[in-house]
Amino acid sequence: GENVEQHPSTLSVQEGDSAVIKCTYSDSASNYFPWYKQELGKGPQLIIDIRSNVGEKKDQRIAVTLNKTAKHFSLHITETQPEDSAVYFCAAPSAGSARQLTFGSGTQLTVLP
Amino acid sequence: DSGVTQTPKHLITATGQRVTLRCSPRSGDLSVYWYQQSLDQGLQFLIQYYNGEERAKGNILERFSAQQFPDLHSELNLSSLELGDSALYFCASSAGGRQSYGYTFGSGTRLTVV
Repeated sequence: GENVEQHPSTLSVQEGDSAVIKCTYSDSASNYFPWYKQELGKGPQLIIDIRSNVGEKKDQRIAVTLNKTAKHFSLHITETQPEDSAVYFCAAPSAGSARQLTFGSGTQLTVLP
Repeated sequence: DSGVTQTPKHLITATGQRVTLRCSPRSGDLSVYWYQQSLDQGLQFLIQYYNGEERAKGNILERFSAQQFPDLHSELNLSSLELGDSALYFCASSAGGRQSYGYTFGSGTRLTVV
């Protein structure tokens, strides 16, 4: 099955700085890579996703880049704000027809005011 | 409100007991996924249903079972509960088509086994 590794496990940045979280995956057939944000006491919420036919996707202050050759993808948050503080999860679909998502272990992002 | 409804939000029960967690998917979604999130751990896939049929199984214990009903809501049954079963249990739904991957998560059920 798919194996997704995520780094770092914790990340602290000053407000206004950028944050980068990286993930690697094992199944070269994977073609969809979402990122979820989980705030305290809530369920994970999809914030951005990318399909394998593009290398980068942006949505305001967040962007995701994908390197299929190296089998890794990254989340970039620019101009961080305190409300960006949360746990972020990357994911990739498992092999086979079910395509359930395998999640990384999560990154606790803290934005310091 | 994500559109995925999970009940109850909190559940406290004793070891050895059985509980049922309920999930109503987002309107129009046919797939339901159950995930377990323990303290300091990520999201562990338990089981998936698509339009009433089991589609995939992950690391689900034999003491756990699930089903999806004709109205597409799903229930996760946890029996012979142990202290280690204490966790957040999330349900997610998706449209379920061949090219559909996007999940919408519910707010979870926090299970505490004492």
